[in-house]
Amino acid sequence: SYVLTQPPSVSVAPGQTATMTCGGSNIGSKRVHWYQQKPGQAPLLVVYDDSDRPSGIPERFSASHSGNTATLTISRVEAGDEADYYCQVWDSSSDHYVFGTGTKVTVL
Amino acid sequence: QLQLMESGGGVVQPGRSLRLSCAASDFTFSKYAMHWVRQAPDKGLEWVALISYDGVNTFYADSVKGRFTISRDNSKNTLYLQMNSLRGEDTAVYYCATDGVRNFEFWGQGTLVSASS
Repeated sequence: SYVLTQPPSVSVAPGQTATMTCGGSNIGSKRVHWYQQKPGQAPLLVVYDDSDRPSGIPERFSASHSGNTATLTISRVEAGDEADYYCQVWDSSSDHYVFGTGTKVTVL
Repeated sequence: QLQLMESGGGVVQPGRSLRLSCAASDFTFSKYAMHWVRQAPDKGLEWVALISYDGVNTFYADSVKGRFTISRDNSKNTLYLQMNSLRGEDTAVYYCATDGVRNFEFWGQGTLVSASS
């Protein structure tokens, strides 16, 4: 089965840039989506189709992918960005939806 | 504003059954494929099941296939998850979500299922 691997944690100071990766075999050939989940809340789609943002998501959230790695970048980090972030793809070989292991972003 | 509200969670003994519901409002439910996604305590997200907009096609994670059944009633704007032969590892918050294009566009707030004796 397809596996997506994320670093468990990332720490960043306010105003700085947070970068988190999502590793998967040939992930560059798949459409990657990213979710933000704050404690006690449902996940929220923040990036879809590799790099597009849903309405209401700040431009500070951006994403890219190539080869075996996808990356979510949060610019000018704010305290409110502190959350768990998950990447996600659809695996066509199994017709299954796969989430990454998740990265906890801590704002120092 | 699109709304999804899950219900039906609770404590159930292993081996027993439970049915979850997800009531949809303020959007055209019958045009959307729908998912169930779960999250075990302090763990990550796990996709559970998908049903097409018309209910004809269903897909399941390997961990629940043969035990869980996803269904929908478009006349009632409601999504269901019938969970049979529950196990301890099924303990989780269960979310319903609309399908974007191979993603999970809008989510409900979740309902907690605890399979414990």
